[in-house]
Amino acid sequence: DIQMTQSPSSLSASVGDRVTITCRASQSINTYLNWYQQKPGKAPKLLIYAASSLQSGVPSRFSGSGSGTEFTLTISSLQPEDFASYYCQQTYNKPRRTFGQGTKVEIK
Amino acid sequence: EVQLVESGGGLVQPGGSLRLSCAASRFISSSYDMNWVRQAPGKGLEWISFMTNENSPKYYADSVRGRFTISRDDASNSLYLQMNYLRAEDTAVYYCATHRPGLDDAFDVWGRGTVVTVSS
Repeated sequence: DIQMTQSPSSLSASVGDRVTITCRASQSINTYLNWYQQKPGKAPKLLIYAASSLQSGVPSRFSGSGSGTEFTLTISSLQPEDFASYYCQQTYNKPRRTFGQGTKVEIK
Repeated sequence: EVQLVESGGGLVQPGGSLRLSCAASRFISSSYDMNWVRQAPGKGLEWISFMTNENSPKYYADSVRGRFTISRDDASNSLYLQMNYLRAEDTAVYYCATHRPGLDDAFDVWGRGTVVTVSS
């Protein structure tokens, strides 16, 4: 299976900060990389698919980039509703679409 | 509204069995691939099973292979997960999720989850 490693595991930030989360794949996955947001007690929500495509309805402060083995999720100006956990997922190795271990974004 | 609703979770003893269901709204096509994903308390997301249709191969994570069985009934728009020989480490919230066309197989529709607790 392809291993997905996110960094950092957690971070503290303030409203208005620019936040970047990194996801690395154990082998090249082209751009088959998605990002999800999950709030406590809720199901994950798709933010970004195909590494850089914004899912319908997701605010434009979220963006994704990367290809091959290294990817980033950027929140350009952190808002109060963005405090949550974020997960990357590879869909290159179908159907074993594995997730990263997650990054928790907390209030500073 | 596009919707998935899981049910069937509960408290079960180690070694026991449980059958989870996932009801899909009529906007979820029977041709869509379906997945089960779980999340242990305080942990991350773990993909555990996938299927397209009953005539195609079914796939499982190593952690559940040989103990869990995925199936679907398209007539009732339902997905199932039969879980046998349950262990404490199977304690988790179980989600069903699907990926509709055009999104590079990203899971764009998720249920709310059903809680499974394996404990004596």
